Amino acid sequence: DIQMTQSPASLSASLGETVTIECRASEDIYNGLAWYQQKPGKSPQLLIYNANSLHTGVPSRFSGSGSGTQYSLKINSLQSEDVASYFCQQYYNYPFTFGSGTKLEIK
Amino acid sequence: QVKLQQSGAELVKPGASVKLSCKTSGYTFSTSYMSWFKQIPGQSIEWIGMIYAGDGGTGYNQKFKGKATLTVDTSSSTAYMDLSSLTTEDSAVYFCAISVYYGLSLFDYWGQGVMVTVSS
Repeated sequence: DIQMTQSPASLSASLGETVTIECRASEDIYNGLAWYQQKPGKSPQLLIYNANSLHTGVPSRFSGSGSGTQYSLKINSLQSEDVASYFCQQYYNYPFTFGSGTKLEIK
Repeated sequence: QVKLQQSGAELVKPGASVKLSCKTSGYTFSTSYMSWFKQIPGQSIEWIGMIYAGDGGTGYNQKFKGKATLTVDTSSSTAYMDLSSLTTEDSAVYFCAISVYYGLSLFDYWGQGVMVTVSS
C-alpha cells in the first residue's frame, strides 16, 4: 500500500494568515492526489483533485501544488470557517489511502 | 440534488454482525460506483472498498476482506455494507461516498456517516 505522511498534525494560525499543509507519498503518485476538508461531526468535503485542480464551488483561497511524492495544500487569507481537519488522499493506486490529517485552529 | 442518506447509529455486541445502508437520490445509481470508508473519531480515514451498482462487481481493501461485504439494491438505489464478527476495533464512523464528476477514485458526495459502537 502507498503510505501518505501528512504534516503538521495540528496548526494554529491567525485570521488572514496563509497556512500550508504537506503530504508525502511513499512512492510517486503522479499527481493522483486529492485534499478534503472535514468539519467536526461532518463528512469530508472535496477541495482539490489532481494535486492542483479546484473542485467546483471551493473558494479560490485554497490551492494545491506538488508532484512526484511531495504535495501541499495552501490556504490564503485564513477565515473562521476554515477551522477543520484536512486530509490528503492518493488515488494513483489501490487501495486508496489517506494522510493522518491536520487539525487547523484559529489563534 | 445528489443525496446519500445513511441509516442510524448502531450499538452491537462483540461477535455480532451489522448491516449499514446508504440510500441515494439525484443521480443515476445504476451506473455509479459506491465506496465505503471507516473513520475512528479523531483519526484518519480508511477506504474499505467499492461496488459498481451496474453489476454488483466489488473491489476491497485487503485489510477489510472477510470483514465487510458490499451489496446494492438498484430498485431502491440503496447500497449496503455488512460488517461481520464485530470487535471493539470495528467501533467507528462509517461513510458511504460516490463520485458524480470524477470517475471512481474521487469522492464529491458523502453520506452523513453512521456511528457503530461495538460493546457488550
